[in-house]
Amino acid sequence: KAGVTQTPRYLIKTRGQQVTLSCSPISGHRSVSWYQQTPGQGLQFLFEYFSETQRNKGNFPGRFSGRQFSNSRSEMNVSTLELGDSALYLCASSAVTPGQGHGYTFGSGTRLTVV
Amino acid sequence: GIQVEQSPPDLILQEGANSTLRCNFSDSVNNLQWFHQNPWGQLINLFYIPSGTKQNGRLSATTVATERYSLLYISSSQTTDSGVYFCAPWGYKLSFGAGTTVTVRA
Repeated sequence: KAGVTQTPRYLIKTRGQQVTLSCSPISGHRSVSWYQQTPGQGLQFLFEYFSETQRNKGNFPGRFSGRQFSNSRSEMNVSTLELGDSALYLCASSAVTPGQGHGYTFGSGTRLTVV
Repeated sequence: GIQVEQSPPDLILQEGANSTLRCNFSDSVNNLQWFHQNPWGQLINLFYIPSGTKQNGRLSATTVATERYSLLYISSSQTTDSGVYFCAPWGYKLSFGAGTTVTVRA
């Protein structure tokens, strides 16, 4: 079956702009999580959605938001982009409620560069 | 949140060598995964291993949850094993450490 699909793969934006990233989980997976990876901070948790509801949120400013649709596809949005938002954004999906014996599968990521 | 410490931070191997990567975590967890991040950035799931031992080809992993550590063994390393290895215990989210950067030289 198809894996986790993230689009676009690469993106260049200007400071102050906003951006929307998309993630399609593995078919049948209902949990989608987002992570940011930077050289300085490593991999950090942004938020997690399950059945269209945000269940958990990391320690990021309100400029970072997300949503999940009824087909489990998820989008994350970053408004008023800053240079420090340049990062690899990774999406992970999980079959059922995390902790019930199923692991996470990651997509290939979206590499965002803010100039 | 759960703190994760991985050692060593960097590992240089000659092709064919064996190695062990270690992951210590601060709290009891019921779930843990090992990932390999390839040069393009994708995190590839190696093992879902909350406890016990699993093997997959040249790789194997052991988690001793009661002692809060996990080990990843790489045997007969190949250049394609190069990359960053992350251990990620999880509760409501994956907790990542800094990883171990492995370089395998031909």
